Amino acid sequence: AQKITQTQPGMFVQEKEAVTLDCTYDTSDPSYGLFWYKQPSSGEMIFLIYQGSYDQQNATEGRYSLNFQKARKSANLVISASQLGDSAMYFCAMSVDNYGQNFVFGPGTRLSVLP
Amino acid sequence: DTAVSQTPKYLVTQMGNDKSIKCEQNLGHDTMYWYKQDSKKFLKIMFSYNNKELIINETVPNRFSPKSPDKAHLNLHINSLELGDSAVYFCASSRQGAQDTGELFFGEGSRLTVL
Repeated sequence: AQKITQTQPGMFVQEKEAVTLDCTYDTSDPSYGLFWYKQPSSGEMIFLIYQGSYDQQNATEGRYSLNFQKARKSANLVISASQLGDSAMYFCAMSVDNYGQNFVFGPGTRLSVLP
Repeated sequence: DTAVSQTPKYLVTQMGNDKSIKCEQNLGHDTMYWYKQDSKKFLKIMFSYNNKELIINETVPNRFSPKSPDKAHLNLHINSLELGDSAVYFCASSRQGAQDTGELFFGEGSRLTVL
């Protein structure tokens, strides 16, 4: 069975600095996808970034980048130039099997950006 | 034009009652899901449907019954509500084609409070 671990329940970062949110995963399936979602206090789930298990390069989307280390089974999210609006819960997630129908989430990290 | 919409957004009811949450997606996706987010923000999959067929049925009390009349709709009916059912319920959908990442598109969530 697949599992996602996020060891940082809460993180603080100063505005305009970079922050790394940790994520490790466990699966025996060679084909999988890794995702990060943001959940602000308003409650909606916002997709941030995706990394496929066969992708050679780390994914980037604007200020978000995913530091993918396959051998270590880690998929850390890096947010550059933090903004106050980045304060939210961040969830790492993984989908496995051919149709991605089993989509598992980590427990989340609450990020607080300080002015 | 909301991509994944669920109603109602808020639901307050007494223990023992029966209630339903409706979900519709206009993205043309084949797969739909129900997730439960508890007070600690853990997101746990409850059900997954692919083209109206039940694919995933996690360990959920049989008081919870999903129904998918067509691939654009996935409703959740809950019988004999209990205090522990209080949570936010998210509907989501995804496309599983070879060129797709399989990311989940979430509805806004339905906050259920059982008194």
